Amino acid sequence: DVKVTQSSRYLVKRTGEKVFLECVQDMDHENMFWYRQDPGLGLRLIYFSYDVKMKEKGDIPEGYSVSREKKERFSLILESASTNQTSMYLCASSLFRGRNTGELFFGEGSRLTVL
Amino acid sequence: AQSVTQLGSHVSVSEGALVLLRCNYSSSVPPYLFWYVQYPNQGLQLLLKYTSAATLVKGINGFEAEFKKSETSFHLTKPSAHMSDAAEYFCAVTTSGGSYIPTFGRGTSLIVHP
Repeated sequence: DVKVTQSSRYLVKRTGEKVFLECVQDMDHENMFWYRQDPGLGLRLIYFSYDVKMKEKGDIPEGYSVSREKKERFSLILESASTNQTSMYLCASSLFRGRNTGELFFGEGSRLTVL
Repeated sequence: AQSVTQLGSHVSVSEGALVLLRCNYSSSVPPYLFWYVQYPNQGLQLLLKYTSAATLVKGINGFEAEFKKSETSFHLTKPSAHMSDAAEYFCAVTTSGGSYIPTFGRGTSLIVHP
């Protein structure tokens, strides 16, 4: 069965801390995505990556960075966490664009609370 | 550019009643359309998708959706709601030969009353 695994389901951090959210997929997908989900706002794209070491900004990249050193792993980094980054974070993956309908495979989500 | 509008942030039905969740899209080229479901504190999972084959698409858990090009719609239906259908539902669109990044609607929360 296909799998996207997010390392932490629930995290509580303090303002100013550096936060790492890890995501691993076992489907050999080229594309990986990070979204944040907030009530009433739906899913907003933070960053995406279509290849190792490649990254593209999404709609709300401010305050975030990403790392993709290996094909299967895509990390979201909050350099200095703030309370307005309290949210549900969703990782997803999909096939390379040439064979792709855009169907996404999602992880279970990481609920981050910043105090 | 592509966009998705889901009418109604909340839809409430009684158990056994028809479920109808509305999705309208805009796209300048033929679309691929998706419905995802999200149960509480979980990620999204694919319910069904339209990729230019049959316009009536059947998905998991008894849901189906019909692609209507003339109405630019892809509404999700289920004949008889079950308590376990209570969840958040998202419609999404991508375009063939274009961006592989989906555009999502804001979601509709389905509430099922006993």
